[in-house]
Amino acid sequence: DTGVSQDPRHKITKRGQNVTFRCDPISEHNRLYWYRQTLGQGPEFLTYFQNEAQLEKSRLLSDRFSAERPKGSFSTLEIQRTEQGDSAMYLCASSRQVQEGTQYFGPGTRLLVL
Amino acid sequence: DAKTTQPPSMDCAEGRAANLPCNHSTISGNEYVYWYRQIHSQGPQYIIHGLKNNETNEMASLIITEDRKSSTLILPHATLRDTAVYYCIVRVTAAGNKLTFGGGTRVLVKP
Repeated sequence: DTGVSQDPRHKITKRGQNVTFRCDPISEHNRLYWYRQTLGQGPEFLTYFQNEAQLEKSRLLSDRFSAERPKGSFSTLEIQRTEQGDSAMYLCASSRQVQEGTQYFGPGTRLLVL
Repeated sequence: DAKTTQPPSMDCAEGRAANLPCNHSTISGNEYVYWYRQIHSQGPQYIIHGLKNNETNEMASLIITEDRKSSTLILPHATLRDTAVYYCIVRVTAAGNKLTFGGGTRVLVKP
C-alpha cells in the first residue's frame, strides 16, 4: 500500500496526559498537512510542512500542540496536557508541491480524552 | 478562499446519476473548484477539480457554469459505496496550502 498511513488509528487517554501521533506520507510527496475533525464537522487545517520546514500554523494549534517532520519524511503531532476538547479525529494528508490542492489523506487517528 | 454553499443532505437511487450542486458566487478568476468526499470513518478522498471547463475522470464529472458562480458534481451511476459526505472547496492553487472544508452534502445512495 503506497497511501498515507497514520498510527495509531485509535487512542484513548486521560486528561492531562501527552499523546503523539505519527503520519507517513506518500514517499514522493514533499508537502504534509495535519487537520483536525470533530464530529459532524468538516476537517479543519492545523499546520503544514514543505519537506522538513513547518511553513504555516493555524490559530487552532495552541502551544500545547507541536508538530515535527525531522527528515522531511514522516511527521509527528504531539499534544501535551490533553483536554477533553482535544477529542477529535486527527487527519494527515500529503501532496506534491505543484499539485497542492490534490491532497491524499490518511485514515486518521481518533483521539478520545477522558 | 471563496465561500461555498451546499445542500446539507440528499438521497439518490442506486444506479442513477447523482447531481450534487455547489454555489460559489464570490469565486474569483484564479480560484479552482475542488471536490472531495469522505466515506464514514475514512479520510477525505480527492475526486476532481476544475477552473472553467467541464472536467471528467473515472470517478465523476464536474460541470462549471459559464459565470463560474456554481458547479455540479455528477456521479454517473451511483452505487451504495458512493454514500459519503461530499465537499465542494474553492481555492487558489499555488497560493495558500490548506483546504477549507465546509459542511458538505451528506449523500445517501439507496437501493
